[in-house]
Amino acid sequence: EVQLLESGGGLAQPGGSLRLTCAGSGLNVNTYAMSWVRQSPGKGLEWVSYISAGGGSTSLADSVKGRFTVSRDKSKNTVYLHMNTLRDEDTGVYYCAKAADYYGLDVWGQGTTVTVSS
Amino acid sequence: DIQMTQSPSTLSASVGDRITITCRASESFSTWLAWYQQKPRKAPKLLIYKTSNLESGVPSRFSGSGSGTEFTLTISSLQPDDFATYYCQQYYSYPWTFGQGTKVEIK
Repeated sequence: EVQLLESGGGLAQPGGSLRLTCAGSGLNVNTYAMSWVRQSPGKGLEWVSYISAGGGSTSLADSVKGRFTVSRDKSKNTVYLHMNTLRDEDTGVYYCAKAADYYGLDVWGQGTTVTVSS
Repeated sequence: DIQMTQSPSTLSASVGDRITITCRASESFSTWLAWYQQKPRKAPKLLIYKTSNLESGVPSRFSGSGSGTEFTLTISSLQPDDFATYYCQQYYSYPWTFGQGTKVEIK
């Protein structure tokens, strides 16, 4: 079964940092572009980031630019979302998803919860 | 940024009803639009890609259409499993953007 598995969520203080990890199971993450999408409690979906299959092209939402970065480790078949200078409004469930230029976001992980609170 | 506006925000319907959800874009783009279904505490699921293409395994009662700035998702005969929240998303240009969602409730 093709799966994406996120991890790394948890409680962080405002101004703190977290690193989210997305790994593939039955899916070679290394060969696909990937995105992160988040959902604040009770709210809609917000696209956060994109990284190309090769890792050479990335894009971030304005709301996280300068604070978040996205990277991948080919040796570990994983994609990361590095989250710095966290704010209360970064609280939510973070999903990684396979980003296909033709299909949109066609495979999603189950999500990992980030809570930013003092 | 391309803003996506869905209507209605909430839709009350009965099993067997035909329903339509509309998604309007702030500027025209081609057909790079997807629809997702999300159930409570679950990840979104891709239903339709490139405006009108049904994702594998999605029932044929779901259909999508549109172009330019107006797109629609239609469910021809609502089933109990279809009560959920639906989102449109453009993947024509960054930042990719979602509509605010349409919650389909049991009437």
